[in-house]
Amino acid sequence: DQQVKQNSPSLSVQEGRISILNCDYTNSMFDYFLWYKKYPAEGPTFLISISSIKDKNEDGRFTVFLNKSAKHLSLHIVPSQPGDSAVYFCAASARNTGKLIFGQGTTLQVKP
Amino acid sequence: EAQVTQNPRYLITVTGKKLTVTCSQNMNHEYMSWYRQDPGLGLRQIYYSMNVEVTDKGDVPEGYKVSRKEKRNFPLILESPSPNQTSLYFCASSSSRSGNEQYFGPGTRLTVT
Repeated sequence: DQQVKQNSPSLSVQEGRISILNCDYTNSMFDYFLWYKKYPAEGPTFLISISSIKDKNEDGRFTVFLNKSAKHLSLHIVPSQPGDSAVYFCAASARNTGKLIFGQGTTLQVKP
Repeated sequence: EAQVTQNPRYLITVTGKKLTVTCSQNMNHEYMSWYRQDPGLGLRQIYYSMNVEVTDKGDVPEGYKVSRKEKRNFPLILESPSPNQTSLYFCASSSSRSGNEQYFGPGTRLTVT
């Protein structure tokens, strides 16, 4: 039972355009959501997060939107850069448990 | 430098030969976790620990053991490895005050033949 789903295995965008990565979850107990970025041969690195009490969090070129009624979150990258090419994982947790549930990941390719 | 270290980074072994993958963090984090990454499945949590001597099963604990005798170390033990444990393993840690923003190690590529 996949509680966090990223239904798009891959996404390709042109440099300078917007990248939108999507994530759906099923467990209504989740109250904290995160996005991680992973380059080959490296561990995932934290990118941005959002608490369930918010619907938007912005950090530079990265914005995460949360739609609790739809149990959906998205990561927007504007403008996209070739260095953003990586695998992006969304993750969710319930309270401060130290337990994260990850999605399958989406491979983003930003073409120059 | 704040970091999570794992050893070894690469390991090829045979079925049934016990092995340990070490994990250490220097950030005084309370929480530590082990994940495995497999194609199409993302990252799945094996075990996690909320503090010394406190461990709990994640989503895929079968075939693995862990211990948390010291705050900084969280080794992953495979008592009798099998080929279905061939995977990429990550250790992670986080502070109880940082939500769940976990810091990951560089990964250990394990092959069991």
